[in-house]
Amino acid sequence: GAVVSQHPSWVICKSGTSVKIECRSLDFQATTMFWYRQFPKQSLMLMATSNEGSKATYEQGVEKDKFLINHASLTLSTLTVTSAHPEDSSFYICSARDPTGTSGVNSYEQYFGPGTRLTVT
Amino acid sequence: ELKVEQNPLFLSMQEGKNYTIYCNYSTTSDRLYWYRQDPGKSLESLFVLLSNGAVKQEGRLMASLDTKARLSTLHITAAVHDLSATYFCAVTGTASKLTFGTGTRLQVTL
Repeated sequence: GAVVSQHPSWVICKSGTSVKIECRSLDFQATTMFWYRQFPKQSLMLMATSNEGSKATYEQGVEKDKFLINHASLTLSTLTVTSAHPEDSSFYICSARDPTGTSGVNSYEQYFGPGTRLTVT
Repeated sequence: ELKVEQNPLFLSMQEGKNYTIYCNYSTTSDRLYWYRQDPGKSLESLFVLLSNGAVKQEGRLMASLDTKARLSTLHITAAVHDLSATYFCAVTGTASKLTFGTGTRLQVTL
């Protein structure tokens, strides 16, 4: 149990285009999902918290108009990088959580997806 | 602002020897996690520590938590090559958000 998938696993896009990354909880309901970014040889930095049915909460310094987050269902959150630039190239990791604990997973755990490597040329 | 620091940042280990990684955090938290990350991969959950004095062990790894000192340690017993990876601690803050430590890259050599 507690499997989180991400799609695509890697993507290359041209500067100025937009790219969408999906995060799915496969066997539990995730009322909360988190999006992280990790640059090479660095730690994970939280970008935003996504709650099902409500607007995402962005961390300080993260442009909400550039990184669009939609959490339309209890199993899916999407991150769209708009007008991507080479400096957006990074490893994007999502995590999912069921704070209610009603779908059979630990309520305090975040379950991480496999990550999406974005390269902007 | 919650800050989490790990040391060392890099650790070259000899096979068969014991080592310890330290994780310090700046404000009170109710949960501390340890994760492993292999190159190009996402995170693998190792331990979650929920209370002062908590100790958990899995194979050659043992994690402990001292909430009064705001310190967690990850002890490696008799290092083997398979343990080569980057290890992160992470601490929950407001709204159950995780703040990650700087990471410790372990390299085990013969």
